[in-house]
Amino acid sequence: EVQLVESGGGLVQPGRSLRLSCAASGFIFDDYAMHWVRQAPGKGLEWVASISWNSVSIGYADSVRGRFTISRDNAKNSLSLQMNSLRAEDTALYYCVTEPTEQYYFESWGQGTPVTVSS
Amino acid sequence: DIQMTQSPSSLSASVGDRVTITCRAGQGITNYLAWYQQKPGKVPKLLIYAASTLKSGVPARFSGSGSGTDFTLTISSLQPEDVATYYCQKYNSPLEFTFGPGTKVDIK
Repeated sequence: EVQLVESGGGLVQPGRSLRLSCAASGFIFDDYAMHWVRQAPGKGLEWVASISWNSVSIGYADSVRGRFTISRDNAKNSLSLQMNSLRAEDTALYYCVTEPTEQYYFESWGQGTPVTVSS
Repeated sequence: DIQMTQSPSSLSASVGDRVTITCRAGQGITNYLAWYQQKPGKVPKLLIYAASTLKSGVPARFSGSGSGTDFTLTISSLQPEDVATYYCQKYNSPLEFTFGPGTKVDIK
């Protein structure tokens, strides 16, 4: 059974940093591209960042490019999102999501970790 | 950036009704179009990928169709457990993904 467990969320002041992690199990991690998708309270889904199975291809939404960095460690079956210069509009539930390589859809979702950016 | 629109933004239908949700891309896209269901307070769930392929385990009353700029999600016979918000999602090369704004489905 696929399990994706996010951690690292919390309350942070504007301008500060936070690092999210996702522990993956139940599947062959390096068969999948990985993504972060977020959902602000009461709002829709927003893709944030993606990383290919071998970390060669990385992409970001315009709203986070230059502030967020996605990375993965295939040896540890883990995914990370380093979030710098956080803004109030980054407040959301952040989901760790799998994509079968080069299939371009989001197959399995974690439960999410909440991030609140507020002074 | 290719924008996605969904219509309607919300709908209310009776149990057993046929429900159709439309997703429109601002310009022609590949068939890398997926549909998700998010029930209140729950995690999104993949229903359909590659525009029309039903994910294993998803009830057959769900179907997807379309190509180019216009795609549809159809629920052939609405059930109470289908109350949810439905999102389309497309892929743009290179490495850009966009969700539609969502369609909220309720039971009348």
